[in-house]
Amino acid sequence: DTGVSQNPRHKITKRGQNVTFRCDPISEHNRLYWYRQTLGQGPEFLTYFQNEAQLEKSRLLSDRFSAERPKGSFSTLEIQRTEQGDSAMYLCASSSTEGRGEAFFGQGTRLTVV
Amino acid sequence: KNQVEQSPQSLIILEGKNCTLQCNYTVSPFSNLRWYKQDTGRGPVSLTIMTFSENTKSNGRYTATLDADTKQSSLHITASQLSDSASYICVVSGGTYKYIFGTGTRLKVLA
Repeated sequence: DTGVSQNPRHKITKRGQNVTFRCDPISEHNRLYWYRQTLGQGPEFLTYFQNEAQLEKSRLLSDRFSAERPKGSFSTLEIQRTEQGDSAMYLCASSSTEGRGEAFFGQGTRLTVV
Repeated sequence: KNQVEQSPQSLIILEGKNCTLQCNYTVSPFSNLRWYKQDTGRGPVSLTIMTFSENTKSNGRYTATLDADTKQSSLHITASQLSDSASYICVVSGGTYKYIFGTGTRLKVLA
């Protein structure tokens, strides 16, 4: 499978715990995005990487959230001291600077904070 | 403010019928507009992408139109199938990497 891969698919955690999600983009894509989607809503932008550089972070990304893309390939999104309001689907997408730069999405990680 | 609004919020149709979903946007500058299909619990999958100069784009039973003057787009689904039941999201790119998402239209196709 050469698409965008996200792990885990589902995560249930207790409030206050830390969680980390991983995204493996399409190999030749240099752009990587994280989005958060709550039920019945469209995805909301969280952050964007071009290669290993994090070029933009949304105001939605509080101090408890951190994202990395250390070698310009896979990326991790960590949430510290999770809150119930963090429960959502976390989507990763990747695109290339070539062509139309169409973004391809992973299947998402569903986080439930109890 | 950059916004993408979709209508209707939800739609129920019988299998075999056609339907049209609407998308209005106020994103500026405008780069391109995409329609994605999102099955429940899964990531969005691209259906079509259109730039400023493209008025119509088809992908099988899906036909998207774009009027860049009025900043409106539509997605027409012909001869609907049960597998068309999903959320359809309109996404407008406002620059190099900015994607503004609509809240989607939830389509339910009944047998």
